[in-house]
Amino acid sequence: DSGVTQTPKHLITATGQRVTLRCSPRSGDLSVYWYQQSLDQGLQFLIQYYNGEERAKGNILERFSAQQFPDLHSELNLSSLELGDSALYFCASSPGTGRDTQYFGPGTRLTVL
Amino acid sequence: AQKVTQAQTEISVVEKEDVTLDCVYETRDTTYYLFWYKQPPSGELVFLIRRNSFDEQNEISGRYSWNFQKSTSSFNFTITASQVVDSAVYFCALFTSGTYKYIFGTGTRLKVLA
Repeated sequence: DSGVTQTPKHLITATGQRVTLRCSPRSGDLSVYWYQQSLDQGLQFLIQYYNGEERAKGNILERFSAQQFPDLHSELNLSSLELGDSALYFCASSPGTGRDTQYFGPGTRLTVL
Repeated sequence: AQKVTQAQTEISVVEKEDVTLDCVYETRDTTYYLFWYKQPPSGELVFLIRRNSFDEQNEISGRYSWNFQKSTSSFNFTITASQVVDSAVYFCALFTSGTYKYIFGTGTRLKVLA
C-alpha cells in the first residue's frame, strides 16, 4: 500500500459527460501528479501540482483540468468525454518536486461508452 | 527531445533464469533522473529505483540490479534467478530537470514461467 488513495476505483459513463477523479496524497507529500495509461498511448504524464500550484504540464487535453486543494488532495476533471478517453488514470504523490520518487495510487479505471 | 525506449515488448523466461530489461534514453539535459517501476497484474505501479545523472554507480538490491551507463545512454535492469512473482510490466522513466518533463517508456512485459 503506497498511502495514496484514489476514488472511485471504476467509473463507467457515456460520451459527452463530465467526471471528477479524486486523489489523496501520502501524508506529508506536497506534490500530486496525474497520469493516463491507455493501451495505445502507454503511460502519459498529464499534470503536476505542488502545494496547490500547477508545477508542470504534460500531454493534458484542454477538456481536462485539475486542481489541488488546501488540504493537498487533488481532483482531475474530464469533460466532453470521448471513447478514446477510456483509460486507467493514476495519481502519484511525492514529498517535493520532480526528481523525487513518486508513489502511485491504485488508479481509477474510466470506461466511456 | 526527450525519449525513453524499451525495445523489448515482451520477454518470457523460465523460473530461475536471469533476465535483463533494456532501457535507452535520450535527453540533452545534463541533470536528469531515471526510474524503474513495476506494474504487476494487479495494476498498481511500484517504485523500484531512482538514479540521478551524476551517479553512475551500479546498484544491487537482492535479486535486482541496475546498470547505468551514460556513454550508451542506457539504464538496464537485471533480475537474477527470476521468480513467478516477478511477472509484471516494467517501466523505465526519465525526468529532466531543465525542461521538467516526465517520460515513460512503453514498458516491457516479463512473463516468468514455472
